[in-house]
Amino acid sequence: AQTVTQSQPEMSVQEAETVTLSCTYDTSESDYYLFWYKQPPSRQMILVIRQEAYKQQNATENRFSVNFQKAAKSFSLKISDSQLGDAAMYFCAYRSAAGTASKLTFGTGTRLQVTL
Amino acid sequence: DAGVTQSPTHLIKTRGQQVTLRCSPKSGHDTVSWYQQALGQGPQFIFQYYEEEERQRGNFPDRFSGHQYPNYSSELNVNALLLGDSALYLCASSLDVQWITEAFFGQGTRLTVV
Repeated sequence: AQTVTQSQPEMSVQEAETVTLSCTYDTSESDYYLFWYKQPPSRQMILVIRQEAYKQQNATENRFSVNFQKAAKSFSLKISDSQLGDAAMYFCAYRSAAGTASKLTFGTGTRLQVTL
Repeated sequence: DAGVTQSPTHLIKTRGQQVTLRCSPKSGHDTVSWYQQALGQGPQFIFQYYEEEERQRGNFPDRFSGHQYPNYSSELNVNALLLGDSALYLCASSLDVQWITEAFFGQGTRLTVV
């Protein structure tokens, strides 16, 4: 079974600064997908960024980028130029590439605070 | 596009009762997954429905059951409610295509069992 670990329960960053959220995972599969989801107080999970395991290039979406280290099974999220609206719970998630529409396995989350 | 909609948004039930939660998937999506998110935890996979059948199931007891209708909407039923069933229940919809990886989530139903 796959597991996802987020070892930082809470993080804090000043507005306009950069913060990195950590995630490690365990799997015996070679092909899979990794995601970062944001959950604001509205409760709705919003996809921030995704990474395909077969791609060596790290994914980037505007101010959000990842550092994907497949051998180390590490998948960290970097938020640049942090904004007040970035404050939320962030969840790292794993999805197998075997089959279609496979389930997501989530970590326990990191609460990000953004201060002025 | 209305996205994924769940009803009700909040619900209070008594221990031992039964509850039904509902989910309408994003337009065009044919797969619905349900997750339980306890307070302070990440979502845990309950089960997934495709073509009106349960296709995958997580580590949840048989008290948790579901249904998917021909229009792809889905229900989650929980029987004999326990205090520990109190949680946020999230519905996610997706398209059953290999290269389509994104799942869209609803805002969830907050269930409180007293």
